[in-house]
Amino acid sequence: AQSVTQLGSHVSVSEGALVLLRCNYSSSVPPYLFWYVQYPNQGLQLLLKYTSAATLVKGINDFEAEFKKSETSFHLTKPSAHMSDAAEYFCAVTPGGSGNTPLVFGKGTRLSVIA
Amino acid sequence: EPEVTQTPSHQVTQMGQEVILRCVPISNHLYFYWYRQILGQKVEFLVSFYNNEISEKSEIFDDQFSVERPDGSNFTLKIRSTKLEDSAMYFCASRQGATYEQYFGPGTRLTVT
Repeated sequence: AQSVTQLGSHVSVSEGALVLLRCNYSSSVPPYLFWYVQYPNQGLQLLLKYTSAATLVKGINDFEAEFKKSETSFHLTKPSAHMSDAAEYFCAVTPGGSGNTPLVFGKGTRLSVIA
Repeated sequence: EPEVTQTPSHQVTQMGQEVILRCVPISNHLYFYWYRQILGQKVEFLVSFYNNEISEKSEIFDDQFSVERPDGSNFTLKIRSTKLEDSAMYFCASRQGATYEQYFGPGTRLTVT
């Protein structure tokens, strides 16, 4: 079974500072990993995805994540935080394969950006 | 850019009433999902649907829930007799067959009073 752990339910950074949101996964098969962002009162927007190609994945709004199999991690980073990045961020995993398996989400990390 | 749409955006209902939440997935997508998010909690899987039948369902998806794809575009979630604990945001998602990322709708906020 797959599971996701997001360390830190709330992260606060200053505008212009590095953003680091942590995600560790557990999977019995090679996983497909995703980061989604949820702005207040909105749905989930796909930020980026890892699907067994390059281990460093770039997404929208200058976010990127690195898949590290040895550490079972898929941390999300952004070099310079912007006020508009304030949102809830969810890491998710699925085993892929031929079945219609769902995404398993972490509990989310709320990012606050301080001016 | 194609997107998943959901109606209504907010539904208020009394306990014991039936509700139907509607979704229009992206048109060339083959796999469909319902998730829910209770306020302040993580997103939880309810059910997946492919080729006009349920592929997988979670323990949350009990006999009070059902899904249907009544035509070529809509995908619905019905809750037969709502309970207070069904109050949540319900998200519909869809994906193409060739890739694994799922695209989510904006959600329906269900409030059971």
